[in-house]
Amino acid sequence: AQTVTQSQPEMSVQEAETVTLSCTYDTSESDYYLFWYKQPPSRQMILVIRQEAYKQQNATENRFSVNFQKAAKSFSLKISDSQLGDAAMYFCALDQGGSEKLVFGKGTKLTVNP
Amino acid sequence: NAGVMQNPRHLVRRRGQEARLRCSPMKGHSHVYWYRQLPEEGLKFMVYLQKENIIDESGMPKERFSAEFPKEGPSILRIQQVVRGDSAAYFCASSPSREKLFFGSGTQLSVL
Repeated sequence: AQTVTQSQPEMSVQEAETVTLSCTYDTSESDYYLFWYKQPPSRQMILVIRQEAYKQQNATENRFSVNFQKAAKSFSLKISDSQLGDAAMYFCALDQGGSEKLVFGKGTKLTVNP
Repeated sequence: NAGVMQNPRHLVRRRGQEARLRCSPMKGHSHVYWYRQLPEEGLKFMVYLQKENIIDESGMPKERFSAEFPKEGPSILRIQQVVRGDSAAYFCASSPSREKLFFGSGTQLSVL
């Protein structure tokens, strides 16, 4: 069974600083995708970044980047130059190859302090 | 191109009533997924549908829950005889392929 673990229920960061959110996962497949989703108080699930497991290069999207360690099954999200609008719940998710369903972690609540 | 539309945004039902949640996927998307989010939890997969077909319902409770995606109209998640444990946020997502899901804003179901 696939599992996704986010060990930090809450994190906080000062505005303009950098923060890293942790995620580990377990799967027996070699072909899969990993995602980070942001859920602000509006409840909308917003895709932040996506990583294909077969790609060694870490994905980046503007201020968001990942550290993908396939052997360690680790997929952390780094947010640089944090902004007040980054405050939200962040969910790590795994899409196993050949499957049509995402497995989500329990989330990390990020607070950005002015 | 409008996003994934879910309605209602909030739904209140008394125990024993039926709840119907609607989802209109993004234009051109033929894959629809339903997820449930319990308080303080991540989303959990319920069912995956394509037009007129249920592809994977492995996450659906065996009783009282059903889903459809007809040839015309929105996808419907139906919960019969609701109980308090059904209170949750229900999310719909659509996709043109399995590589990227687009989520709606969810329906918050409250069972009194």
